[in-house]
Amino acid sequence: DTEVTQTPKHLVMGMTNKKSLKCEQHMGHRAMYWYKQKAKKPPELMFVYSYEKLSINESVPSRFSPECPNSSLLNLHLHALQPEDSALYLCASSQQPGSKNEQYFGPGTRLTVT
Amino acid sequence: AQSVTQLDSQVPVFEEAPVELRCNYSSSVSVYLFWYVQYPNQGLQLLLKYLSGSTLVESINGFEAEFNKSQTSFHLRKPSVHISDTAEYFCAVSAGNAGNMLTFGGGTRLMVKP
Repeated sequence: DTEVTQTPKHLVMGMTNKKSLKCEQHMGHRAMYWYKQKAKKPPELMFVYSYEKLSINESVPSRFSPECPNSSLLNLHLHALQPEDSALYLCASSQQPGSKNEQYFGPGTRLTVT
Repeated sequence: AQSVTQLDSQVPVFEEAPVELRCNYSSSVSVYLFWYVQYPNQGLQLLLKYLSGSTLVESINGFEAEFNKSQTSFHLRKPSVHISDTAEYFCAVSAGNAGNMLTFGGGTRLMVKP
């Protein structure tokens, strides 16, 4: 199984809502990532978890809150988002932390903030 | 810090013609190089990677890329493209001292015309 799954595929939320994005992998990977991708742009790294611990936070606003409950799951909790947060949110995983390890991406969650 | 430049934002080409997508990088340390492909409304898929060894790397669907250290380039080529190759292609670099950081180029949209 070389798949990273993400739910939901699409999400529309108001600026006062609280929602969560979910990412799952069963490849035994020990590093997991959240990226944000705006239209016609490359992915931008948001967070990195290594061995279930947050290792990188790319100065992401606190309205985005990541969580890694176990080695297979990664969540992104959303609260009080702005319309400019509308984007494709991609999850990825790699076998180990470290620059040599290729990242496997999920299909993404298309988020629209109204 | 490392950076990646993809010189062409769009490359239109006719079906069965050859194509080259250009990628240049800058880094003060050794790097690992990746090409990812993103089809419409999907996540990123790894196309090929250079970690070490032979400077010419190939993918299973006919793409190849050559690592050129002196020119700091990692151009992607295919001798004969198909309509199904229409997608966004991202070159990415991970430097030896950058932990889990994957830096993407701006992307090149390959448009294959019949």
